[in-house]
Amino acid sequence: DAGVTQSPTHLIKTRGQQVTLRCSPKSGHDTVSWYQQALGQGPQFIFQYYEEEERQRGNFPDRFSGHQFPNYSSELNVNALLLGDSALYLCASSLSVGLGTDTQYFGPGTRLTVL
Amino acid sequence: QKEVEQNSGPLSVPEGAIASLNCTYSDRGSQSFFWYRQYSGKSPELIMFIYSNGDKEDGRFTAQLNKASQYVSLLIRDSQPSDSATYLCAVNRRNDKIIFGKGTRLHILP
Repeated sequence: DAGVTQSPTHLIKTRGQQVTLRCSPKSGHDTVSWYQQALGQGPQFIFQYYEEEERQRGNFPDRFSGHQFPNYSSELNVNALLLGDSALYLCASSLSVGLGTDTQYFGPGTRLTVL
Repeated sequence: QKEVEQNSGPLSVPEGAIASLNCTYSDRGSQSFFWYRQYSGKSPELIMFIYSNGDKEDGRFTAQLNKASQYVSLLIRDSQPSDSATYLCAVNRRNDKIIFGKGTRLHILP
């Protein structure tokens, strides 16, 4: 049973560029959440996708956008990259049961460096 | 007041002793609570989740939840050097958005 996978593992971009990160959820899961984790901090919630729609969003600007495909995989897009976007980007998948008890499992993350 | 608060540590515990990690949260309507372990440079790994008041045990780990005090803790018995990591407390608010604390760094002394 494959767990959550993410690609690429590492990425280096320059300011102003755009980046796309990809995530495949754990088998049987239908919900994908994205987090940004800066060094020494806990993961910060970016947004969550369920049934191909953004269901929840954290305090991130519109430069951060996403998509979920019919096979439940997801992409995170970041436009106009800033130095402060350098972080570990984590994807977590879960099975939505609508009771506030969904358990999320994380992928290995994508380390983004913006120069 | 931060939504999920943890002492950043480091918390140093002798090998074989009990490590006690604490977390408080602000939203009284929070429904589920999680502990993740994160090794340096790696992604968070789920250790335990708890939904109801009281204790929940899984091997060397015990999660404790007190909703009245808005407090959740993790006990690690017979601490091992491999337990040295950052422990993240996460709270699922009623709207299914999971909020993480900054984590507590645990160092098990051989």
